[in-house]
This record gives sequence, C-alpha cells and structure tokens, in this order.
Amino acid sequence: SQKIEQNSEALNIQEGKTATLTCNYTNYSPAYLQWYRQDPGRGPVFLLLIRENEKEKRKERLKVTFDTTLKQSLFHITASQPADSATYLCALESGGNNRKLIWGLGTSLAVNP
Amino acid sequence: DADVTQTPRNRITKTGKRIMLECSQTKGHDRMYWYRQDPGLGLRLIYYSFDVKDINKGEISDGYSVSRQAQAKFSLSLESAIPNQTALYFCATTESGGSETQYFGPGTRLLVL
Repeated sequence: SQKIEQNSEALNIQEGKTATLTCNYTNYSPAYLQWYRQDPGRGPVFLLLIRENEKEKRKERLKVTFDTTLKQSLFHITASQPADSATYLCALESGGNNRKLIWGLGTSLAVNP
Repeated sequence: DADVTQTPRNRITKTGKRIMLECSQTKGHDRMYWYRQDPGLGLRLIYYSFDVKDINKGEISDGYSVSRQAQAKFSLSLESAIPNQTALYFCATTESGGSETQYFGPGTRLLVL
C-alpha cells in the first residue's frame, strides 16, 4: 500500500539557520507533492506544490526538491525565524480517477531565538 | 471573512448523542472533504464529495454520515457518538480539475464523554 514517512522527531534549530525536512514515500509514483504548514489547533495551510517533472521549486525563503528516483522530497526553510515554528505536512496525490491526497504525519519544527 | 468556515468550533457531547458538524465555503469549489486528526495518526479522510450529487467514503467512514446540501455546504454527522470519535475535525475544499491543493477550515474540536 502507499506509504509516506516524515521525520517523527521534532527538529530544533537556531534562528538564522536552514531547516531541512524530509518526506519519503513508497509503493507508488505521485504526479505531484505538496507541503503544508499547520499551527497548533488550526487547519493546514498550503505552502508549495512540486510536480513529478520538476526538480526544485522556490517561494521566498522556502525551497522544495522532488527526487522521483529516491522517492523523496526535501523542504528547506532558509534564514529561519521563530515564526516558522510549526508542524509541516507532506501530502501526495493518490493517483487514479478519484484524486485524493495522502498525508504524512508531519514534522514539528522549533526555531529558537 | 474566512473562505472555509466550520461550526461549532468546539463541542462537548455525551456517548450516544447525535451531533452534526457543519462546513461552508465561499471559494466556489466543487470538491469538499471531511477529515479527522488524532495525535500520532495524522489526517484521515472520512468522506468526500466531488459535487452535490456525489458522495464517497474515505478510509474511516464507519460511524459517520454526510450531507451535501449545496455546492457550498457539506455537513458531517455522528449518529451515535462514542468516545473514540473525540478528535479534531477539519473540512477542506479544492477546485475540480486542479492540482488538489486543499483549503482547510479552522477545525472543530469534539470531545465525546
């Protein structure tokens, strides 16, 4: 069955450093992959989408890579700020006619001042 | 005003009671989803609807039912609530034919005693 894995351990980094979060998947080939941010008690908010034919996507301080050979996406936040502290979710489209998203459990990021 | 709204935001109920959670959206999207989120289990799809006449079960539909009253409204019902339905519930929407980027409501925190 389709499976997504994100780092279960919280990531703690110092302000100004680059945070790198990992999303690995198995048993299928999604057409695209998305990253969302979720703050405690609130709904996820879309950040970036990357398609299978794209290697890298950027938006301001955010960068996403997509390696379909390794079946892995990396999510980078450069010049991190305490306001970047949140849980980051990876989601992959499930394929087939009824396209749905399959969600990772998320990785908690804490940026310390 | 928020594009996706949910009511109530918090609810405490007793085992065996019927409860309805409501979702409304002003984004004009055809597709709507209900998820629940539990610590350690992530987002799990309960039901989804691609238009007013289309209702589909997700991975955990047992104990739940839904109604798509209009394009903008999608309600989730717990016919006889049980304690393990205590969770954070999210409604989401997406545009049909698009990239499945999902827009979430603020969530309903449900406690079943």
